[in-house]
Order: sequence, then structure tokens, then C-alpha cells
Amino acid sequence: DQQVKQNSPSLSVQEGRISILNCDYTNSMFDYFLWYKKYPAEGPTFLISISSIKDKNEDGRFTVFLNKSAKHLSLHIVPSQPGDSAVYFCAASGTANFGNEKLTFGTGTRLTIIP
Amino acid sequence: EPEVTQTPSHQVTQMGQEVILRCVPISNHLYFYWYRQILGQKVEFLVSFYNNEISEKSEIFDDQFSVERPDGSNFTLKIRSTKLEDSAMYFCASGTLAVQETQYFGPGTRLLVL
Repeated sequence: DQQVKQNSPSLSVQEGRISILNCDYTNSMFDYFLWYKKYPAEGPTFLISISSIKDKNEDGRFTVFLNKSAKHLSLHIVPSQPGDSAVYFCAASGTANFGNEKLTFGTGTRLTIIP
Repeated sequence: EPEVTQTPSHQVTQMGQEVILRCVPISNHLYFYWYRQILGQKVEFLVSFYNNEISEKSEIFDDQFSVERPDGSNFTLKIRSTKLEDSAMYFCASGTLAVQETQYFGPGTRLLVL
């Protein structure tokens, strides 16, 4: 059941350059997408989200792009910093009648920023 | 800044024993969740809880699992008779009633079943 896929298990980027993490989904009912960052032995930390009514959302160094027709989203981090080294998870949910829906996670991409 | 807390951080137990994992969600949140991550695998949804009852559960959440909100602050996950394959990181999360609201995760409990 691979409804959310992150095809790159790892990515290395030079400090100061742009990091691009990708995520694909198959379930057309998903309409809310989130990126979480996770350090070892810690819980996922929310980074940024996007609703399906938008195609871009920006928050400081982080921008998420959504291409609904391709069922693809990406997270751009610019400029990349050493503290960005972590595992990044893409997650998706469908809209419940009210309240939160469960999140379906991808397998994660380990981002390493090279000083 | 409010955060979700979980205890214990680590738990080692023998197969067949009962374990209770505890969580204190963010105080004004109304939706509560348990997820787990088996080593090397993705984070998986177990159960969601609202208004003192289960809203949704996954196929993983069988009769060996139960959840409870015994008082106004704690949210617990009980595994009645642990199996080796229950070894995982268990994450509690909480969210508000708003649609498309973010879920905030605790630091996790690492459960090891021997």
C-alpha cells in the first residue's frame, strides 16, 4: 500500500545550495499535504503544509509546490543549512467532515547538508 | 510553546506482557492519535480518538490494542499481550477540531519486545 511515495531514500546537498525533496501520491482523495522533519530518537516536527486548492506555499526558507495533475509535491529548502540535515517525511490526508483525518506517510528522505 | 509529551521514552518488555504507553497531548487539542514506526519502515497510523471514543483505526489496531483517556490530560495506548513484531517507536499526536489542521507529534516511546 504505497499511497505516498518518496523515491529518493537519501540526498546530499552543499551548504547554501537548494535542497529539493520530492513526493508522489496515488490517492485522489488526498487534499492536504504536509512535510515533517525528523531527527533520530525524536518525533516528527511539522515544517510546512499545503492544501489542494493551492499550488505553492512558502514559509521562510521552505517552499512546498503541489502539482495535482501529476499527483506530485516537492519541498524546496533554500539556502540549505547544516541544521537541515534530518529525515524528511511527506504526509497526506483527505478532508473529514470535521476535524482531522489520519495522516499517510511516505518512507522518508534522509537529507545531508555538506558544509 | 505547547508540546506533546510521552512516557516512558524507552520500554523493554517480555513477549506476552502488557504495556501501557502514556501521552499528554497539547491542552486545547481535541483529536488524539497513535502512530508507530517499525525500524526502517514508514510511520503508520494506528488509531484516532475524539470525544472519548475511537474515530478510526487501522487494521494493525486489533483486539490486543486499546486506547483510553482516563482523565483530562492523559491519553494511553495499551497493548495487552505484546508480540515480537510490536517492537517499534510509538508516536502520540494531537490536533484541533479544525479541518486540515496540523497534527503535532510527541517524541515517541521506543518499545522493545523480547
